[in-house]
Parts: sequence; C-alpha cells; structure tokens
Amino acid sequence: QKEVEQNSGPLSVPEGAIASLNCTYSDRGSQSFFWYRQYSGKSPELIMSIYSNGDKEDGRFTAQLNKASQYVSLLIRDSQPSDSATYLCAVSTSYGKLTFGQGTILTVHP
Amino acid sequence: KAGVTQTPRYLIKTRGQQVTLSCSPISGHRSVSWYQQTPGQGLQFLFEYFSETQRNKGNFPGRFSGRQFSNSRSEMNVSTLELGDSALYLCASSFLPGQENSPLHFGNGTRLTVT
Repeated sequence: QKEVEQNSGPLSVPEGAIASLNCTYSDRGSQSFFWYRQYSGKSPELIMSIYSNGDKEDGRFTAQLNKASQYVSLLIRDSQPSDSATYLCAVSTSYGKLTFGQGTILTVHP
Repeated sequence: KAGVTQTPRYLIKTRGQQVTLSCSPISGHRSVSWYQQTPGQGLQFLFEYFSETQRNKGNFPGRFSGRQFSNSRSEMNVSTLELGDSALYLCASSFLPGQENSPLHFGNGTRLTVT
C-alpha cells in the first residue's frame, strides 16, 4: 500500500462545476496535510493546508480532513479553466519529511 | 521576500559524470528538503536538512548526497550519473518542517538530463 494515494485521474469537469479531489494516507501518526497545485512545467505551489479534523475554506477551495478515516479531500467550487493543473496531496509523515501522492490531473473545460 | 532559488535551471550531463545542484532557501527558513520528480514515480523525497544536519533521508542510493551550510543554503550531489537520474530536482524550504503553519515552499527546480 502506498503511503499517500490519490484518486486516479484524469478528472474533467465543466466550467462552473465543483471538482472533488481525494486522498488517503496510511500513517495514522500523520499530523499535517497539504494540497499543492502544479502547472505543467512549473514547480508545486501550496494552495491549502489543514491540520485538524473538519473543513477549512479559503475562497473557492475547501479542504476536508477526517483523521479517523485517514482521508483528506479538496473541493474546488466554481471551477475555472485556470484551475486545470495537477493537484498533489502531501502528508507530513515524520518530522521534516513530506510524502506526496501521485497527483490528480484536473481539466476544466469551458 | 525572495523565493527559493535553485541553480542551474537546466543541466545536461553524460553517464558516469557527477553533478552538484544548489538551493538558496527563503530568508529565515532553516530547513531545506530535496525532491526528485519524474513522470513515472512522481515526487519522491530525497533528504531534508535542518541547521546543517541531515534529519531525514529517502530511499535513494548513496550516489545521492547533500549538505547544508551555516547560511542554510544547500547543495545536493549525484555521482556516477545514470540515465534514470534524469528528472526535475526540486528544492523546498520551510521554517519548521512538517509543523503546523510551516509548509514547504518550492523552488523552480533544476531539470537534469543524463545522456
């Protein structure tokens, strides 16, 4: 079992729809959870971080964390073509180390 | 505030050579992590340095090594290059790695091609 797994893609949604990205992790001791966005040919950029169970909202983005189920998700409301990118889930599994999922490619079509 | 700076941006090397990549973290960040990104394996953790000490190491052969200087700048070295080492090497810095409100910030990466 991989340490961090993301829902297989690619994911395609129409403009204005909600995009839902999911991630599960195996280490119950994980404390910090992040979502990064990576455009083609660019480096990953942080879009959300979450540390406590529940929801965290930032603009059109909502991160959800359920530590009991070892599950973290990212919802993108009112998806825009500019949201088309690879989304990486990252989990802090030990001090100083971030483990990334394989990424989910999201395409938002007009 | 300047971001994470990696040099060089592109490198072309031949098998058997060695290479050194450089990373300057965001001012005030004391932790530097290195990742290898390939299409097949995704982002894989290489190692992490904090206050000049390597605290974590990923599952890479000993040909991959690194160090951190007193000013937090870091270098990674790959010796005896193999074709499979072709990848994007990303450096990331943070204030207190893995801690709440201290996420990683990535540089633009060094694209290494081994021929």
